[in-house]
Amino acid sequence: AQSVTQPDIHITVSEGASLELRCNYSYGATPYLFWYVQSPGQGLQLLLKYFSGDTLVQGIKGFEAEFKRSQSSFNLRKPSVHWSDAAEYFCAVGVGNQGGKLIFGQGTELSVKP
Amino acid sequence: NAGVMQNPRHLVRRRGQEARLRCSPMKGHSHVYWYRQLPEEGLKFMVYLQKENIIDESGMPKERFSAEFPKEGPSILRIQQVVRGDSAAYFCASSPPGRGPYGYTFGSGTRLTVV
Repeated sequence: AQSVTQPDIHITVSEGASLELRCNYSYGATPYLFWYVQSPGQGLQLLLKYFSGDTLVQGIKGFEAEFKRSQSSFNLRKPSVHWSDAAEYFCAVGVGNQGGKLIFGQGTELSVKP
Repeated sequence: NAGVMQNPRHLVRRRGQEARLRCSPMKGHSHVYWYRQLPEEGLKFMVYLQKENIIDESGMPKERFSAEFPKEGPSILRIQQVVRGDSAAYFCASSPPGRGPYGYTFGSGTRLTVV
């Protein structure tokens, strides 16, 4: 069955430090992979997405993610975190039956300390 | 282009009442997807609709929930006889034909509170 695992429920980093959020997926075919960010009480904003091509994907707000097929992973990274990055981050895999839908991970809540 | 519009943003219903959530897709998008986010959880797929057709309702609860996307007007997610466990954020996404999740745009959601 298709699934997405985000092992870290909550992460705290210092402002200016680097960040890596982990995501592992289970899907038989070539996956569509996504990272979304959600601020409290808000909707979802797409950070980046991957289907094919270069396995290192650049997104908005200085984020990037790397697809590693051998590890079934799609980890999100940012070299220097800003206080405004504090939010909930969701990894998702697109499954293609009948036009497609997303399966989301549980989310990782990011806190940024001064 | 106003994006995906969901209304109301917040909805309070008493147990046993009906809740109607609306989603107007982006211009040019004919596919609509509904997701539910329970407190402290990720989003879960509910239903995928095209105009006048339900394509995939594998995530819809078997009772009390229904969805439609008429030829004219917004998509409607309807919850009859709401219970406290229906309290959640309901998000709609729209996509152009043939793009699926790769073409998604999400709305801001409707937060349903059942009292």
